[in-house]
Amino acid sequence: AQTVTQSQPEMSVQEAETVTLSCTYDTSESDYYLFWYKQPPSRQMILVIRQEAYKQQNATENRFSVNFQKAAKSFSLKISDSQLGDAAMYFCAYRSTNTNAGKSTFGDGTTLTVKP
Amino acid sequence: NAGVTQTPKFQVLKTGQSMTLQCAQDMNHEYMSWYRQDPGMGLRLIHYSVGAGITDQGEVPNGYNVSRSTTEDFPLRLLSAAPSQTSVYFCASSYKYNQPQHFGDGTRLSIL
Repeated sequence: AQTVTQSQPEMSVQEAETVTLSCTYDTSESDYYLFWYKQPPSRQMILVIRQEAYKQQNATENRFSVNFQKAAKSFSLKISDSQLGDAAMYFCAYRSTNTNAGKSTFGDGTTLTVKP
Repeated sequence: NAGVTQTPKFQVLKTGQSMTLQCAQDMNHEYMSWYRQDPGMGLRLIHYSVGAGITDQGEVPNGYNVSRSTTEDFPLRLLSAAPSQTSVYFCASSYKYNQPQHFGDGTRLSIL
């Protein structure tokens, strides 16, 4: 079974600064997908970024980028130019592509505080 | 499109009662999942479906049943509610397994 570990329960960043959230995972599969989701206090789950394991290139979405290290099974999220609206809980998620396609595993989340 | 709609948004049950949490999506998504989120924790997969008529167990399936008779609907049934099932429940859907999931707004369920 796959596991996803987010080792930082809480992080804080100054507005306009850069912060990196860590995520590691354990799997024996070679093909899979990784996601970062954001959950603000409204409780709504919002997609931040998606990475395909067979792609070497790191995904980027505006101020959000990932550092995907497949051999190390690491998938960190970098938020540049942090804004007050970035304050939320961030979840790393793994999704299988084999016979368990559709089965997702989430980490326990990192609560990000943005200081003005 | 309404996206993923969950009902009810809040529910209080007594131990031993049964109930069904409803989930509907209007995006013609094949994949649907139910998760529970306990305070300060991530989402844990209860059951999931890869298409109408096909369901499978997730990480924490005990005490819950699902069925998928149509593409649109994926109800979650609590057979005999227990206090340990107090949680926030999320339904999610995606077109394919390689696509991000769309989440409903969640159902906050309290079991007394």
